[in-house]
Amino acid sequence: EPEVTQTPSHQVTQMGQEVILRCVPISNHLYFYWYRQILGQKVEFLVSFYNNEISEKSEIFDDQFSVERPDGSNFTLKIRSTKLEDSAMYFCAILWTGPCTFGSGTRLTVV
Amino acid sequence: GIQVEQSPPDLILQEGANSTLRCNFSDSVNNLQWFHQNPWGQLINLFYIPSGTKQNGRLSATTVATERYSLLYISSSQTTDSGVYFCAVGGNAGGTSYGKLTFGQGTILTVHP
Repeated sequence: EPEVTQTPSHQVTQMGQEVILRCVPISNHLYFYWYRQILGQKVEFLVSFYNNEISEKSEIFDDQFSVERPDGSNFTLKIRSTKLEDSAMYFCAILWTGPCTFGSGTRLTVV
Repeated sequence: GIQVEQSPPDLILQEGANSTLRCNFSDSVNNLQWFHQNPWGQLINLFYIPSGTKQNGRLSATTVATERYSLLYISSSQTTDSGVYFCAVGGNAGGTSYGKLTFGQGTILTVHP
């Protein structure tokens, strides 16, 4: 399986601040995804990204969120004006030849 | 959307015991994966198994796609098997839907020494 690195592993931010979560897949891939897991709950789909544009997004993924692949390798999730309820584990995932491979996650804490 | 139900929600075992975790899903799928979430929150892919049977050491999985369920077997459990096990399905609408996974609520497994 390919490797997917996420940075930072943990981020604490003040409510109202903007955060950028980064994902670096080692190999070139076309299909990227972001997922979220609120503590103690199941993992939820946020958005899928194909050929440098959003292909599908969930109801959670509102105007507060944006994704981009700025330099052809990094894949970022930006959360503008964070809220307390944005505190969660955020996972980046890539689609490989068979399974979807998940990164190690970024634990975001909004205080 | 697809509904995914896992059972049991909680499972407590003594080291060395065997267990079976079940995943039911409500629609046909082209992708089914089992994950283990470790204490650090990482999702470790155990099996990619949209159909058939696979084995990896003490773990094995079977998916009966026509009946819309999958089973994860853990034999001779160890304390390191503790954690949350998730079933996730997707891929019935083509394109990026293959990686758009719907997760179940998970089974919390605790293995005591």
